[in-house]
Amino acid sequence: AQTVTQSQPEMSVQEAETVTLSCTYDTSESDYYLFWYKQPPSRQMILVIRQEAYKQQNATENRFSVNFQKAAKSFSLKISDSQLGDAAMYFCAYDPGNEKLTFGTGTRLTIIP
Amino acid sequence: DTGVSQDPRHKITKRGQNVTFRCDPISEHNRLYWYRQTLGQGPEFLTYFQNEAQLEKSRLLSDRFSAERPKGSFSTLEIQRTEQGDSAMYLCASSLSELAGLITDTQYFGPGTRLTVL
Repeated sequence: AQTVTQSQPEMSVQEAETVTLSCTYDTSESDYYLFWYKQPPSRQMILVIRQEAYKQQNATENRFSVNFQKAAKSFSLKISDSQLGDAAMYFCAYDPGNEKLTFGTGTRLTIIP
Repeated sequence: DTGVSQDPRHKITKRGQNVTFRCDPISEHNRLYWYRQTLGQGPEFLTYFQNEAQLEKSRLLSDRFSAERPKGSFSTLEIQRTEQGDSAMYLCASSLSELAGLITDTQYFGPGTRLTVL
């Protein structure tokens, strides 16, 4: 069974600084998809970024970028120029292509003004 | 595009009662998913539909749980004889699957229904 591990239950960062959230996963598949979702307090889950495993280039969305290391089964999220609105739970998710997402336990990100 | 909506947002019930939740997906989306999220955990897959067909059910979905999507639009999730262990956030998501599984599509989530069983 696929597993997704987020080893950092909580992280904090000063506003305008950069923070990296870690995610590792376990799979025997060669083609799959990885996602980072953001869940603000009492608000719905929002897609942050998506990575296809067959693409070597790391995905980027504005201030958000990933470091995808396929051999190491690592998928970290870097948030640059952190803003107060980035405060949320961040979930890493894995999809082997059947669209059944497996989520990690999440990292709570606090932004310090 | 108004996004995925869920109703109710909160539900408090007594143990043994039946509850039903509704999910309205993004209008053109043909796939609809249900997940359950307990405190401090990530969402766990329960079941999903392609149009009106229920294609897969997780082992987490006991016989007390039933989901329907009768016309391929909105979906309902019913829990019969609720137990305290059913207390959780129930999330619905939808996606547009255009290429018959060749490319996985991004799932868009609703705000969830928080169930509390007393």
